[in-house]
Amino acid sequence: DVQMTQSPSTLSASVGDRVTITCRASQSLGNWLAWYQQKPGKAPNLLIYRASSLESGVPSRFSGSGSGTEFTLTINSLQPDDFATYYCQQYNTYSGTFGPGTKVEIK
Amino acid sequence: EVQLAQSGAEVKKPGESLKISCMASGYPFTKYWIGWVRQVPGKGLEWMGIIDPGDSDTRYSPSFQGQVTFSADRAISTAYLQWSSLKASDAAIYYCARTDPFVAGRPFDLWGQGTLVAVSS
Repeated sequence: DVQMTQSPSTLSASVGDRVTITCRASQSLGNWLAWYQQKPGKAPNLLIYRASSLESGVPSRFSGSGSGTEFTLTINSLQPDDFATYYCQQYNTYSGTFGPGTKVEIK
Repeated sequence: EVQLAQSGAEVKKPGESLKISCMASGYPFTKYWIGWVRQVPGKGLEWMGIIDPGDSDTRYSPSFQGQVTFSADRAISTAYLQWSSLKASDAAIYYCARTDPFVAGRPFDLWGQGTLVAVSS
C-alpha cells in the first residue's frame, strides 16, 4: 500500500498570508494526486486533481505542484473561508490513500 | 442538479446487519465509479474502495476487504455499502463519492452528505 504523509499537521496563519502544505508518498505517484478541503460537519470538497489542475469553481488562490513523491498545496492570500482541514489523496486505477490532514487555524 | 444523496443516520447494536445507500442524480450513473470513504468523527479520511455501477466491478482497500460489501442497482441509480455483522469500531461517518479514475483520471469530484452510523450495545 502507498503511504501518505502531510506536513505540518496544524498550521496557524493570518488572513492574507501565503500558506504551503506538503504531501509526501512512499512511492512514486506520477501526478495522480488530489487535494481536498473539509470544513467541520461537511463533506470534503475537491480543490486540485492531477497534482496541479484546479477544479472548476475553485478560487485561483489555490494551486498545486509536484510530481513523483513530493507535492505541495499553496494558498495565496488566505481568506477567512479557507480555515479548514486539507487532505491530499493518491489515486490510481485501483486504490486511493488519503494523507492524515493539515488543519489551518486562525493565528 | 448533479448530486449524491445518502440515506439517513443509523443506530445499531454490535452484531446487527446494515445497508446504507447513495442515490445519484443529474448525471449518467454508469459513467462514473462510486467510492466509499470512512471518517471517524474528529479523525481523518479512509479510502474504503470503489465500485463500477455498470458491471459491479469492485476494488476494496485491504483494510476493508471482507469487512464490507459494495453493490449497486443501475435501475435506480443507487450504490450501497453493507455490513453483515457490525462492530463497535464501525461507528463513523460514511461518505459516498463519484470518481472516474480510468478514463478522465478524476478523483472524488462529487460527494454525498455522509451517513452517520452509531454502533452501541
